[in-house]
Amino acid sequence: EPEVTQTPSHQVTQMGQEVILRCVPISNHLYFYWYRQILGQKVEFLVSFYNNEISEKSEIFDDQFSVERPDGSNFTLKIRSTKLEDSAMYFCASRLPGRENQPQHFGDGTRLSIL
Amino acid sequence: KNQVEQSPQSLIILEGKNCTLQCNYTVSPFSNLRWYKQDTGRGPVSLTIMTFSENTKSNGRYTATLDADTKQSSLHITASQLSDSASYICVVSLSGSARQLTFGSGTQLTVLP
Repeated sequence: EPEVTQTPSHQVTQMGQEVILRCVPISNHLYFYWYRQILGQKVEFLVSFYNNEISEKSEIFDDQFSVERPDGSNFTLKIRSTKLEDSAMYFCASRLPGRENQPQHFGDGTRLSIL
Repeated sequence: KNQVEQSPQSLIILEGKNCTLQCNYTVSPFSNLRWYKQDTGRGPVSLTIMTFSENTKSNGRYTATLDADTKQSSLHITASQLSDSASYICVVSLSGSARQLTFGSGTQLTVLP
């Protein structure tokens, strides 16, 4: 069964540095998402992306965050100047086009640790 | 504020037993309700998705129910297996914001031999 793949599985970065998290969604999916999960807390929506533009974003997704689909297969999340509170598990998800109750397929996440 | 509350927070059962997990939500306007299973260190995996017009949906040994009037859902697991040990997360989708999901905190289920 096709899977969403995320790299790296664990990223350690110094505070203030830029970080790029990478995702390869399932190939025929057209809707893409980023979520984060701070240790011990709920999964939180960050941003959705469709047709090469952001569809929706949460209040968490401020100017430090950006997303891109640079080459038709990868979907990236960039954090420009990381803060300690950005330490979390970041999940990418994708789904098929069509009705909104299509399931979202999640990757296994990137654990981001900010030092 | 849109919220999803789950109970119990954690549950321990013996292999072969049944269990029921609860979810209450205040998300409005409501589009659909999903149950996900999240193994430790893995991403969530979809179990069921129900719209407001559906009141039950099964996926193997998992059966989800939905009461849109009382804004409650349950996930029933039959004949539990050791591999059912995971966090079970209730997720509600806003209507008109179909791409945005509101997650519950999850119920941590442990199945013992």
